Amino acid sequence: DGGITQSPKYLFRKEGQNVTLSCEQNLNHDAMYWYRQDPGQGLRLIYYSQIVNDFQKGDIAEGYSVSREKKESFPLTVTSAQKNPTAFYLCASRRQGGYEQYFGPGTRLTVT
Amino acid sequence: GQQLNQSPQSMFIQEGEDVSMNCTSSSIFNTWLWYKQDPGEGPVLLIALYKAGELTSNGRLTAQFGITRKDSFLNISASIPSDVGIYFCAGHSNAGGTSYGKLTFGQGTILTVHP
Repeated sequence: DGGITQSPKYLFRKEGQNVTLSCEQNLNHDAMYWYRQDPGQGLRLIYYSQIVNDFQKGDIAEGYSVSREKKESFPLTVTSAQKNPTAFYLCASRRQGGYEQYFGPGTRLTVT
Repeated sequence: GQQLNQSPQSMFIQEGEDVSMNCTSSSIFNTWLWYKQDPGEGPVLLIALYKAGELTSNGRLTAQFGITRKDSFLNISASIPSDVGIYFCAGHSNAGGTSYGKLTFGQGTILTVHP
């Protein structure tokens, strides 16, 4: 089945540690996106990538980093510099020429 | 930057009732999308709209692309308990040149359906 997978579903970390969230897609989509969702709020764009080896900052990139070494994969690292890392993180992908984004199931990160 | 105003913020309805929600913007969009998010899951695309005035249905859901291109509406008929969730609108604009496929999202409408 084609789709987007995110792992793990739940992640717990201590404050001061970096943590990497996985996002993989087998839809052959060119573009991939990372969003952050806080309770009762909409989606805020962290980073996006149009093609392999290229990515751009979104609206709230501070404290986050990404890489895009393969078309299928777009991991997000939440660094210790991110002041409020506890949130629900969503990965999405989009085919070239389309506007619809398709989302993964999300990773809930809790930092204490 | 562009913003979408989605309303209402929340709705509490009885099973069987119809539901209406909308998104408005001060900017023109060339594509409108409607998503549904179940608790703890990622949003799922319900309907995509590409032309001003377009009316599209997906089962009991109907969405419209406003004539002014600054708004969109979603209606759910004969609601059932599994309609519970958060509904998001999202718009895409070509304004300003290359948009990199970025979407602007509304804040969401939380729908509760009482059996």
